[in-house]
Amino acid sequence: AQSVTQLGSHVSVSEGALVLLRCNYSSSVPPYLFWYVQYPNQGLQLLLKYTTGATLVKGINGFEAEFKKSETSFHLTKPSAHMSDAAEYFCAVGGTGRRALTFGSGTRLQVQP
Amino acid sequence: NAGVTQTPKFRVLKTGQSMTLLCAQDMNHEYMYWYRQDPGMGLRLIHYSVGEGTTAKGEVPDGYNVSRLKKQNFLLGLESAAPSQTSVYFCAGSRQGEVYGYTFGSGTRLTVV
Repeated sequence: AQSVTQLGSHVSVSEGALVLLRCNYSSSVPPYLFWYVQYPNQGLQLLLKYTTGATLVKGINGFEAEFKKSETSFHLTKPSAHMSDAAEYFCAVGGTGRRALTFGSGTRLQVQP
Repeated sequence: NAGVTQTPKFRVLKTGQSMTLLCAQDMNHEYMYWYRQDPGMGLRLIHYSVGEGTTAKGEVPDGYNVSRLKKQNFLLGLESAAPSQTSVYFCAGSRQGEVYGYTFGSGTRLTVV
């Protein structure tokens, strides 16, 4: 079985501040991990993914995430928030034989001017 | 534009009515998925398909049926709509499986009154 927990349904940061969105997963086999972003009234877009290899993964728009097996975590970070980063972010896990991604409940990021 | 297209974008149904949501893709995706998105619950898998002529149940299949008669189309049917099926529905596709990431449609907002 696989599952994803996103801590914090809402996160608010100031423009220019560090963004940290938390994701913990549960999987019986080495997982593939994803972060997706959803802007208002749109579908989800892939930000970045971890499959194998380097545990620090860089994505679009300056985001990155680090796979930490010992902590079963895949937290998303960005050094400096921009107003355009305001959106909902979803962590997802796959590659465990289920043939579909399992998504977390999402974190809505607000960026204050 | 190439991609994953969902129709309709909005629909209001009365309880007991039926409807079909269409997902069409021109990206040669083998795998296609239907998810529903509800506040605080993330995306939950309804049904999916791993190739033309195949379908499989996800985690919340009750009240829905699907068909994949052609590779490029994945249909989601509601035979007798219920208010609990009020949701935003997303279709997604993947060329070779979920580990390669999804391409999402823009969603269908369905309200059942």
